[in-house]
Amino acid sequence: QQPVQSPQAVILREGEDAVINCSSSKALYSVHWYRQKHGEAPVFLMILLKGGEQKGHEKISASFNEKKQQSSLYLTASQLSYSGTYFCVEDSGGSNYKLTFGKGTLLTVNP
Amino acid sequence: GAGVSQSPSNKVTEKGKDVELRCDPISGHTALYWYRQSLGQGLEFLIYFQGNSAPDKSGLPSDRFSAERTGGSVSTLTIQRTQQEDSAVYLCASSLGRDGYGYTFGSGTRLTVV
Repeated sequence: QQPVQSPQAVILREGEDAVINCSSSKALYSVHWYRQKHGEAPVFLMILLKGGEQKGHEKISASFNEKKQQSSLYLTASQLSYSGTYFCVEDSGGSNYKLTFGKGTLLTVNP
Repeated sequence: GAGVSQSPSNKVTEKGKDVELRCDPISGHTALYWYRQSLGQGLEFLIYFQGNSAPDKSGLPSDRFSAERTGGSVSTLTIQRTQQEDSAVYLCASSLGRDGYGYTFGSGTRLTVV
């Protein structure tokens, strides 16, 4: 089972804000966020660990509610360069560090 | 090297032929992963290597798929008797491990089976 993301797609004008949500059906060790631009490989944005620690991108913030197994990615004052597909990725712990990707949220920022 | 390197970047093969895809991870990264991404879809886990431990092969879709990692560094993903449904972008990633480290992906190999 993979994490469920919403919305599936969002269109913004430059300078607007967006929130992407992610929900998991299992207890999580951490949640990651990646961004993939068309024709390119996914790029690591941020990791949110159990206990509240965050590591990652300076201009993007995120939250992780361990009890609800939910995470949200906050994009503020969006720029054209923010366009791409955002993936929520879950690490359910265990002996293997193996990530399960959501289906992605396509974000388009227009001038 | 500075990043994860994959080769070839594009591969067109005839149905039924075998193909080998190569991944050279970031130096010092002990974890190496293969994922597959079909057009417009998310990433599907294939296999995971961690140090000298036995690989996690739970994502391999059939016994036509195999992978090895030599000397804890370079990895090769082999697909035997390719089928049209194998057409996808095959992505390799490496990582230092948990607790603050994400994956670094290579640019991928676009495989087309005709």
